[in-house]
Order: sequence, then structure tokens, then C-alpha cells
Amino acid sequence: DTGVSQDPRHKITKRGQNVTFRCDPISEHNRLYWYRQTLGQGPEFLTYFQNEAQLEKSRLLSDRFSAERPKGSFSTLEIQRTEQGDSAMYLCASSLGSGGYGNTIYFGEGSWLTVV
Amino acid sequence: AQTVTQSQPEMSVQEAETVTLSCTYDTSESDYYLFWYKQPPSRQMILVIRQEAYKQQNATENRFSVNFQKAAKSFSLKISDSQLGDAAMYFCAYRSLNTGGTSYGKLTFGQGTILTVHP
Repeated sequence: DTGVSQDPRHKITKRGQNVTFRCDPISEHNRLYWYRQTLGQGPEFLTYFQNEAQLEKSRLLSDRFSAERPKGSFSTLEIQRTEQGDSAMYLCASSLGSGGYGNTIYFGEGSWLTVV
Repeated sequence: AQTVTQSQPEMSVQEAETVTLSCTYDTSESDYYLFWYKQPPSRQMILVIRQEAYKQQNATENRFSVNFQKAAKSFSLKISDSQLGDAAMYFCAYRSLNTGGTSYGKLTFGQGTILTVHP
């Protein structure tokens, strides 16, 4: 098992274009999280899945953002009509279990988005 | 909602010396986890140490230890015998264990502290 992997690692796009990021969690991890991190700041929660069900979405996640986890394995985060304010690193994380004691959350290396 | 505050944007330490990073948090819950994560430049977030709120004993992992003061809502990280590889951004994070709350299971992060280690 190689950990949480994210693709692409870097993406430069023009304002108004759509972008999609993919996250492959650690095998058998049923919880998957998306966070956004801007330079010099801590990660901010966006959304999370338990298996294929999206259980919570942050108010940070505008209508232009959509996340899916169709078979409870990998997940995609799509941003439509990108804006310069969307420039950030998008972090994916996963954990085994429903968040009780001992369930560590593991992070991927992140996907950097630059909107020009 | 819970908040996590790291009041030291940057800290520096000499190699082999000891440094302490500060973290305070605000919550009305009694059952939670606290974490310190390390994020090297352009690399992934790695768990350094965790503390269960119900435990009075401070967690220790090799050169890393915490000072957990539940009443004061304080959770500092001490790095002993600092090494060049310790240089990174350090984040304090809170994880709710309140199954009835909307924050259950997810992490709330502080703003981070950049640690520089001088040879």
C-alpha cells in the first residue's frame, strides 16, 4: 500500500475553465476527506465521504464545486468555471473507521491549482 | 464550532536544542483528540503525535512530547534534540468525537508555525 495518492500534482488553468482532481485513498479506508489549503494557512475542511455517501459539505464549497466517490473507492473533486480565488492546494485524506479513537487520518501530497 | 489557534507564525531553533510550539483551542466538548502534524515544503502532511482528551498523561513519541492542559485548552509541542529534518510547517489540529455533532471525525487545523532549524 503506497498511501493516499492524488493526481495531478500541479494544474495551471485559465479562469473560467473546469478542472478535476482525483484522489485514491489507502485501500480499505472507508472515510475520505477533501481539504483546501492556501499559502501560509492551515487546511480548511471542504467535504467528506463515508464509503460512497457524501456526509457533509462545508459552506466553503460553492455550487461550482462538486465531489463524488462513485464506488466508495477513489474520489474526484471538480471545480467548474474556475476563479482566481480557487488557487490553492487541494488535499485529500483518508481514514479507516468512523472517526473513533485510534483512527488516524492520512494525507496525500496535495494537488496545486493555479488559476491565471 | 471548534477553533484552533497557533500564535507563533515562525519559530527557529539551533540544531540539538529544544523548541516548544504553542497551540490553544476552543471547544465545549469533553471528548476529542488533539494532533500535531508536520508538513515539509512540497511534501505531504505527516502525523507527529496525538493526545486523547480523556488521558491526563502527556503523549510522547521519541523526541516529540506534548504538554496537554485540558482546563486551559492548551496543547504545546516540545521537540528535543532538534534535527535539520525537523524543519517544516507544524499544524495543531482538533478532532471531535461527539457523534451527535456536525464536526464528528473531521480535523480542524490551526494556522501553522514554520519551524526553522539552524545548523
